[in-house]
Amino acid sequence: EAGVTQSPTHLIKTRGQQATLRCSPISGHTSVYWYQQALGLGLQFLLWYDEGEERNRGNFPPRFSGRQFPNYSSELNVNALELEDSALYLCASSFGKAGGSDTQYFGPGTRLTVL
Amino acid sequence: KNQVEQSPQSLIILEGKNCTLQCNYTVSPFSNLRWYKQDTGRGPVSLTIMTFSENTKSNGRYTATLDADTKQSSLHITASQLSDSASYICVVSAVWGSQGNLIFGKGTKLSVKP
Repeated sequence: EAGVTQSPTHLIKTRGQQATLRCSPISGHTSVYWYQQALGLGLQFLLWYDEGEERNRGNFPPRFSGRQFPNYSSELNVNALELEDSALYLCASSFGKAGGSDTQYFGPGTRLTVL
Repeated sequence: KNQVEQSPQSLIILEGKNCTLQCNYTVSPFSNLRWYKQDTGRGPVSLTIMTFSENTKSNGRYTATLDADTKQSSLHITASQLSDSASYICVVSAVWGSQGNLIFGKGTKLSVKP
C-alpha cells in the first residue's frame, strides 16, 4: 500500500513569489493535514482538510492557503513568499475519525527554500 | 498556554544501552498523547498513542508511559540500535475543537553510537 506522497521534494523560490506544494493521502484516508517544520523548531500545524473542506487552521497568515480535491489529494499555496517561510512542509493523512484519536501518517515532506 | 516540553534536547548513547526521553505538557483539556520518530529529512512515524485512561503502551523496544495527573510522559528505548538514531517527538492533542489541535514538542535528538 502506497504511503502519503508529496511533491516536489525540493522547491527553490525567491521572495515575493508563490509556491504550490502537493500531497496525496493514503488510499481510504479523507483527512489531510499540513505542517511547517522550520529549522530548530517543532512542527507547527498549518491546515486541516476533511471531505473537501477546511476544518481548522493554525496561527498562520492568510497567505498560507490550500484546498482539498474530490480525490482527497491536497494543495498548499504560499503567496508572497518571505525568507522565514523556508522550512520542511509535511503533509499527513488519516481516516478523519472524530476526537483526534486516529493516527496521522506523514509524507516525506517538501523542502522549501526562499532566497 | 498549551505547551509541550521535551527533555533532554539531545542525547548520545552507546549501542545496546537503554534510554528514557521525557515529555511534560500543559495542554488542557487533554485528549491523547503520541510519540513519533522522525529520521533526518523524513516525515515522522507514529510509535505510540495513549488516551487519558492508558498509562503504558509498548511497540517493540519502545515503551511509552503516561501520568495524566502530573502531565508527564516518557518514552523508554530498550537495547538501542544504530537505527534508533532520530528525533523523537511528543505530541499532545486537546479535546477542544477537533482534529488539528495538536501541540508538538520540539523533539529529542537521539544519537546511538557503535
